[in-house]
Amino acid sequence: KNQVEQSPQSLIILEGKNCTLQCNYTVSPFSNLRWYKQDTGRGPVSLTIMTFSENTKSNGRYTATLDADTKQSSLHITASQLSDSASYICVVRAGGGADGLTFGKGTHLIIQP
Amino acid sequence: DAGVIQSPRHEVTEMGQEVTLRCKPISGHDYLFWYRQTMMRGLELLIYFNNNVPIDDSGMPEDRFSAKMPNASFSTLKIQPSEPRDSAVYFCASSQTSGTGSGEQFFGPGTRLTVL
Repeated sequence: KNQVEQSPQSLIILEGKNCTLQCNYTVSPFSNLRWYKQDTGRGPVSLTIMTFSENTKSNGRYTATLDADTKQSSLHITASQLSDSASYICVVRAGGGADGLTFGKGTHLIIQP
Repeated sequence: DAGVIQSPRHEVTEMGQEVTLRCKPISGHDYLFWYRQTMMRGLELLIYFNNNVPIDDSGMPEDRFSAKMPNASFSTLKIQPSEPRDSAVYFCASSQTSGTGSGEQFFGPGTRLTVL
């Protein structure tokens, strides 16, 4: 059964600090992995998408990594800001049709001033 | 473009009542997805359409749920009769390609449904 596990479930850090969110998956066959940011009361917004051949991809202060061998991905946030407070959702696509998505339950991140 | 538009943003109803959620996808997008999000289960895909045709509704919980897409710019998700366990945030998303491939799904702001 395809699964996506995210850790930690929630995280509180001080403004300006760095943090790393984890995503482990058992989706097969792997097609791509996407990180979404979801602000409270809003829909998810895509941060990055990674395919099998990509190890690292950055989007501003967000850097995603992918290890397809160990089936792990991480999202690193540098110099956190209050606006980074949100839920971060890892979504993995299996090869196939548009319904081949498996969603993680997300990491709830709180940045404290 | 205004993005994906959903209405209403909040809906409170009593058990047994009919609920209709509405979605206007981004113009030019040929895929439309309906999701449900709860704290316990996270995001779940309910159904998706391609060019107004339902492709897979295996995620629809039961017969009380139905979805339609009469044209490229409008879709509805109906729950009849509603039950307290249907309380959740319902998202509509659209994409220009298959979305789950290289294309990106763009989500609406969601409808928060509370069934008393």
